[in-house]
Amino acid sequence: EPEVTQTPSHQVTQMGQEVILRCVPISNHLYFYWYRQILGQKVEFLVSFYNNEISEKSEIFDDQFSVERPDGSNFTLKIRSTKLEDSAMYFCASIPTRLAGTLSYNEQFFGPGTRLTVL
Amino acid sequence: EDQVTQSPEALRLQEGESSSLNCSYTVSGLRGLFWYRQDPGKGPEFLFTLYSAGEEKEKERLKATLTKKESFLHITAPKPEDSATYLCAVQAHNAGNMLTFGGGTRLMVKP
Repeated sequence: EPEVTQTPSHQVTQMGQEVILRCVPISNHLYFYWYRQILGQKVEFLVSFYNNEISEKSEIFDDQFSVERPDGSNFTLKIRSTKLEDSAMYFCASIPTRLAGTLSYNEQFFGPGTRLTVL
Repeated sequence: EDQVTQSPEALRLQEGESSSLNCSYTVSGLRGLFWYRQDPGKGPEFLFTLYSAGEEKEKERLKATLTKKESFLHITAPKPEDSATYLCAVQAHNAGNMLTFGGGTRLMVKP
């Protein structure tokens, strides 16, 4: 069964360093997301991406964050200058449906996550 | 602002002891309500989507129901392998495809 994959599974970095988290969505999926979950807290939406551009973003997704789909398969989240409070699990998700008028109802398939630890 | 509240935060059951998890929501026009299962250190695993009040869905020992204000996840005769955190999330008509999650219910089923 196809699944979303994420690398690395665990990333440790120093405060102020740049990190890139990578995701390979399911191959026929068209809509991509990043969420994060700080330890013991709710899963929080960061950004959605469709047709090579950001569709929506939350207040968390400030200028330190960026996303791109560099090669048609990978979907990356970059944090330019990490802060201690960026330590969290970061989940990538995708859905297959092409948006047409009103948005899709389809369920989001999540990857296993990358645990980011900022020291 | 869309809000999702899950209760209880934690639930301990004996194997075979049925119970229900609650998800209360406030959303400006519900597009869909989603239930996910999350095992420790893993990503959320999709269980159900409910779209309108009165709708019910079942999968093995799990049954999800929906009203205009809340959803229940009923677990019938649970087994230890049902132990996990169960997450509820809503998708609103005016918020694209983003999901707003509740805090989850951590279920522990003892043999």
